[in-house]
Amino acid sequence: RKEVEQDPGPFNVPEGATVAFNCTYSNSASQSFFWYRQDCRKEPKLLMSVYSSGNEDGRFTAQLNRASQYISLLIRDSKLSDSATYLCVKDEGGSQGNLIFGKGTKLSVKP
Amino acid sequence: DAGVTQSPTHLIKTRGQQVTLRCSPKSGHDTVSWYQQALGQGPQFIFQYYEEEERQRGNFPDRFSGHQFPNYSSELNVNALLLGDSALYLCASSLTQGGGYTFGSGTRLTVV
Repeated sequence: RKEVEQDPGPFNVPEGATVAFNCTYSNSASQSFFWYRQDCRKEPKLLMSVYSSGNEDGRFTAQLNRASQYISLLIRDSKLSDSATYLCVKDEGGSQGNLIFGKGTKLSVKP
Repeated sequence: DAGVTQSPTHLIKTRGQQVTLRCSPKSGHDTVSWYQQALGQGPQFIFQYYEEEERQRGNFPDRFSGHQFPNYSSELNVNALLLGDSALYLCASSLTQGGGYTFGSGTRLTVV
């Protein structure tokens, strides 16, 4: 079983829709989790950190459920510019560790 | 903005050849990590360098080796290239004390 698993999609949604991505992970020793965004043929960029208490940044909400080893990302009022691949990531140990990436979920927002 | 710089941006090599990829970390960062991202996959950790030594290594064969220089820049070397080595190679820099990672735009390697 892969350490971080995501539905690869693609998710095709109309502008204005609400879309949710889920991710499961194994090895609960990891302390830090993130969502990264990757545009086609570009590098991954940090979208937001994920906390058990939830983390909201504008239209984006991330949630961590340690008991279920489950991470979610909710995007409200989708924009065309949200079209990208969203990578679920766990950090194996801060800056002395390494990042474990899921395969990514592709989102396509249509007019 | 002194972000992470990688060179070259694109590279085509023949099976069996050797390749060297370069990375200059973000100003102030002392740790460099390398990742391989095959098409349709998430990035996979290759290794991490700190204080000119390999600190951690992922599940990659010995054909993959690296180096970190006193100015914190780093090289990734791949020997005896295989078709399966074709991928986007990403460098990420960070501070060993924490503060997150900054990725370079990557080197796209094609092995023919």
